Amino acid sequence: AQSVSQHNHHVILSEAASLELGCNYSYGGTVNLFWYVQYPGQHLQLLLKYFSGDPLVKGIKGFEAEFIKSKFSFNLRKPSVQWSDTAEYFCAVNAQNTGFQKLVFGTGTRLLVSP
Amino acid sequence: EAGVAQSPRYKIIEKRQSVAFWCNPISGHATLYWYQQILGQGPKLLIQFQNNGVVDDSQLPKDRFSAERLKGVDSTLKIQPAKLEDSAVYLCASSLDWTGEDGYTFGSGTRLTVV
Repeated sequence: AQSVSQHNHHVILSEAASLELGCNYSYGGTVNLFWYVQYPGQHLQLLLKYFSGDPLVKGIKGFEAEFIKSKFSFNLRKPSVQWSDTAEYFCAVNAQNTGFQKLVFGTGTRLLVSP
Repeated sequence: EAGVAQSPRYKIIEKRQSVAFWCNPISGHATLYWYQQILGQGPKLLIQFQNNGVVDDSQLPKDRFSAERLKGVDSTLKIQPAKLEDSAVYLCASSLDWTGEDGYTFGSGTRLTVV
C-alpha cells in the first residue's frame, strides 16, 4: 500500500524567505501526486497536481513542485512566501493501476509566516 | 459550480451517543469519499463509494461506523456508539470518476467533539 511522508511538521519563516517542503512516497508503480493547502478555518484546496509530462509543475499562488521519480519525491517550493501563506500543507498520492485509486495523505506541514 | 456540501459544521456529543453526518457531492461526481482528520494528522480515508457501491472500506471501524450512498448521490456517515477517540474532522470529498484525474473536491468538514 502506498504511504506518504512529510518530514517537516512545523516550519516558521519570515516573509520573503524561500520555502521548500519535503514529500516522499512509497509505491513502486505509477502515481499521481498532489499538494493541498488548508488555510485556518477553511477546507482543503488543491495547490497543484502531477499526472504526467513535465516533472516541474506550477500551481496557484506562485507554488511549484518537482517530481523526482528516482527519489520518490514531490517537494513543494515557493521562492518568496507571504504572510497569507500561513496554512497547513498536505502532500497526497494516489496510485494508478491498482483497481480503484484512493488518495493517501501525508501528516501535513504547518507553515507559519511571520510578517 | 457548487462545492461539496456537508452538515452539520460542528457537533458535540457524549461518548456512547450516536451521530450522523451528511454529504452532498458535486453534481455528476460518481466517486465519493469520507475521510477522518484527527488533530495533527493528515486525512485518513474511511470509505470510498463508486456510485452507490462501496469500493474501499478497509479502514472503516465497522463495529461502530457505517456509511451509505443509497441513490448514488448524497451520503451519510454514522457513528454508533461514539468514543472519545472519534473526535476529529470528518471530510467528504468527491471526484468525477474513480481515477481522480479531474481532481478531488473537499467539503468544509464536520468537526466532531466527543466528551
